Amino acid sequence: AQTVTQSQPEMSVQEAETVTLSCTYDTSESDYYLFWYKQPPSRQMILVIRQEAYKQQNATENRFSVNFQKAAKSFSLKISDSQLGDAAMYFCAYPNAGGTSYGKLTFGQGTILTVHP
Amino acid sequence: DTEVTQTPKHLVMGMTNKKSLKCEQHMGHRAMYWYKQKAKKPPELMFVYSYEKLSINESVPSRFSPECPNSSLLNLHLHALQPEDSALYLCASSQEGSRRETQYFGPGTRLLVL
Repeated sequence: AQTVTQSQPEMSVQEAETVTLSCTYDTSESDYYLFWYKQPPSRQMILVIRQEAYKQQNATENRFSVNFQKAAKSFSLKISDSQLGDAAMYFCAYPNAGGTSYGKLTFGQGTILTVHP
Repeated sequence: DTEVTQTPKHLVMGMTNKKSLKCEQHMGHRAMYWYKQKAKKPPELMFVYSYEKLSINESVPSRFSPECPNSSLLNLHLHALQPEDSALYLCASSQEGSRRETQYFGPGTRLLVL
């Protein structure tokens, strides 16, 4: 079974600075997908960024980018020019491959990001 | 429209009550999900419906009963709940349930069982 580990329960960053959130995972697959979701306080969980494992290029979405190291099974999220609105809980997620749990997201434990003005 | 709506926003119920949570999406998605989330924890999958058929039940107690009347609507019927069932209940949807798809989440129903 896949496992997803986020080793930083909490992180903080100054506004306009850069922060990196860590995620490692365990899988025997060669082709898969990885997601970062963001859950602001009392607001909806939304997708931040998605990576397809067969693509060598790291995904980017505006100020958000990933450092995808397939061999190391690492999928970290970099937030540049941090803004107050980036404060949230961030979850790394891996969708299961097959069997009766196809598509089920395995989430990491989450990282609470605080942004200081 | 990428919105998933959930009603009610908050619900307080006694252990003998029967209540229902409602989720709606109008994105044409054919997969819908129920999650349970405790404070500062990741969501835990409860049920998945794909094309209006229950495809995943994560061994959820029978006091939770899901229903998918049509492709836009998902209900969760609650009966004889326990205080430990107090949590945020999230609904989500995706195109077809493929692992490559983004899941779109609703704002959740915060449930308190007394």
